[in-house]
Amino acid sequence: GAVVSQHPSRVICKSGTSVKIECRSLDFQATTMFWYRQFPKQSLMLMATSNEGSKATYEQGVEKDKFLINHASLTLSTLTVTSAHPEDSSFYICSARPNMNTEAFFGQGTRLTVV
Amino acid sequence: QKEVEQNSGPLSVPEGAIASLNCTYSDRGSQSFFWYRQYSGKSPELIMSIYSNGDKEDGRFTAQLNKASQYVSLLIRDSQPSDSATYLCAVDTGTASKLTFGTGTRLQVTL
Repeated sequence: GAVVSQHPSRVICKSGTSVKIECRSLDFQATTMFWYRQFPKQSLMLMATSNEGSKATYEQGVEKDKFLINHASLTLSTLTVTSAHPEDSSFYICSARPNMNTEAFFGQGTRLTVV
Repeated sequence: QKEVEQNSGPLSVPEGAIASLNCTYSDRGSQSFFWYRQYSGKSPELIMSIYSNGDKEDGRFTAQLNKASQYVSLLIRDSQPSDSATYLCAVDTGTASKLTFGTGTRLQVTL
């Protein structure tokens, strides 16, 4: 099946710094990728839809200036958490679909801890 | 009304029993339906996909779809402790290739 690779799998950063998370589709092109956040024992929350070559679409309540998304190529989307604070500590997951009729494939997820 | 609804559980079944997980959706035009399994601390992985009314079987898993009732279910036969996880129902609403996920049902298979 299709593979989506996410990096890093785990990151610890100091409060006030920025962290970049990469999401790559390894064997298909993805014009659209999705970024989710999941707090412990809670459900997936869609943060934004990453669109290749154009601006990302953010879900209501998600700060676009804090969570910067760049989708510069058909195989790579990045999420940058800017000026991270402890409340941004969470599990961030990306996903992509090879086409409209297939399932979504997920990256391995990134565990972010802000200290 | 939530677009995709699942009972959060936990659903507890003994080892060897059948686990039945249910999901309802609100968009009658939805065409594609998926079940994902998510272990704690891991990202979701696909279990089953189903596109037409009826049953679809894959090993110990059976997905059932009833578009008239806007209902999709997942049956797990001969449940094993390793099946203990959260099961997410996902529906393709046709919006920008986005899947809409339910909140998930936590399944516990007891010895």
